[in-house]
Amino acid sequence: GQQVMQIPQYQHVQEGEDFTTYCNSSTTLSNIQWYKQRPGGHPVFLIQLVKSGEVKKQKRLTFQFGEAKKNSSLHITATQTTDVGTYFCAGPSGGTSYGKLTFGQGTILTVHP
Amino acid sequence: SQTIHQWPATLVQPVGSPLSLECTVEGTSNPNLYWYRQAAGRGLQLLFYSVGIGQISSEVPQNLSASRPQDRQFILSSKKLLLSDSGFYLCAWKQGTPLHFGNGTRLTVT
Repeated sequence: GQQVMQIPQYQHVQEGEDFTTYCNSSTTLSNIQWYKQRPGGHPVFLIQLVKSGEVKKQKRLTFQFGEAKKNSSLHITATQTTDVGTYFCAGPSGGTSYGKLTFGQGTILTVHP
Repeated sequence: SQTIHQWPATLVQPVGSPLSLECTVEGTSNPNLYWYRQAAGRGLQLLFYSVGIGQISSEVPQNLSASRPQDRQFILSSKKLLLSDSGFYLCAWKQGTPLHFGNGTRLTVT
């Protein structure tokens, strides 16, 4: 079945440093979504990428979708303590019907002040 | 606006006891509904999904079952809990993008 892998599993950074997490799918994706889960909370949708090679920015966050639509990345510039949490990528599984998503294992980001 | 309610927030149950977790969605109709489990604070595993009343699809064989007795109500159940059922259970709904999660239930089976 479809697999979505994320690296690294953990990332510790000093506040102000940059952070990147990478996502790779075993199959071509029609879109990729990113979610953030704060400690003790639930995942919250950040963004969806649809087009090959697409780049989207949200303030200090930059999201990229690979040309082959099998990989994606999230880059945070100048991390802040509010960026702490687990970042998940997710892709449609079983086709786009029923809205099922396969999630990566997530990258846990710790930001040291 | 749409909201999703999930309860209880935490639950401690002995092995062999039954389980019932409930989730309701407000402000929308005929949503797709999902139950995910997150073990050890990591990845999200899809357990069940439903595209309509009484329609349940299971993603993985397990000790759990799900039901959708009403359009915006989704229930996760077990007749006899196992230690391995411990985890963080998340209900979610979707109409298009994105997936909206409830606050989750942290279940500890002792």
